[in-house]
Amino acid sequence: RKEVEQDPGPFNVPEGATVAFNCTYSNSASQSFFWYRQDCRKEPKLLMSVYSSGNEDGRFTAQLNRASQYISLLIRDSKLSDSATYLCVVNPYNQGGKLIFGQGTELSVKP
Amino acid sequence: AAGVIQSPRHLIKEKRETATLKCYPIPRHDTVYWYQQGPGQDPQFLISFYEKMQSDKGSIPDRFSAQQFSDYHSELNMSSLELGDSALYFCASSVDATNSYEQYFGPGTRLTVT
Repeated sequence: RKEVEQDPGPFNVPEGATVAFNCTYSNSASQSFFWYRQDCRKEPKLLMSVYSSGNEDGRFTAQLNRASQYISLLIRDSKLSDSATYLCVVNPYNQGGKLIFGQGTELSVKP
Repeated sequence: AAGVIQSPRHLIKEKRETATLKCYPIPRHDTVYWYQQGPGQDPQFLISFYEKMQSDKGSIPDRFSAQQFSDYHSELNMSSLELGDSALYFCASSVDATNSYEQYFGPGTRLTVT
């Protein structure tokens, strides 16, 4: 079982749709959580950190449920430019150290 | 804003050759990480350095070694290359003092071993 698991993709949605990604992690001691996006053959780009109280950045909302070891990302009013692979990422140590990536969920936003 | 710089961007080597990948972190970032991403795979952590000392180690083969220099740049040395080493190699950097541990990735080096 992978340490970080995500919904399998791909998600194909029309422009303007709301799309939700879910992720679970197995290490209950994990402290830091992130969502990255990765475009084909390019580097992962930090989308947002995920805080216990939940956080929002424009059209993007991230939630963390420590009891269920569950992380989510909601994208509202999706744009064509949101098409990418979204990676759920966990830092298990609460210190500088390795990131553990989920396998990613591919999103394709169609006109 | 300045980003992580990696060189070379593309590298083609033959089996059993050696390769050196370089990484220049974002200015004032003190921690460097190396990841390997095979085709269709998620990035896998290899090794990290904080203030020029190895801080964490992942699934890095014994054939690989790395170090961080006084100017904080890092090099990943790969010897006796195998076909399975063909992958994207990303370097990331962070600044530990902020306690956010957010890592920012460079554009990667695409290594092809033939």
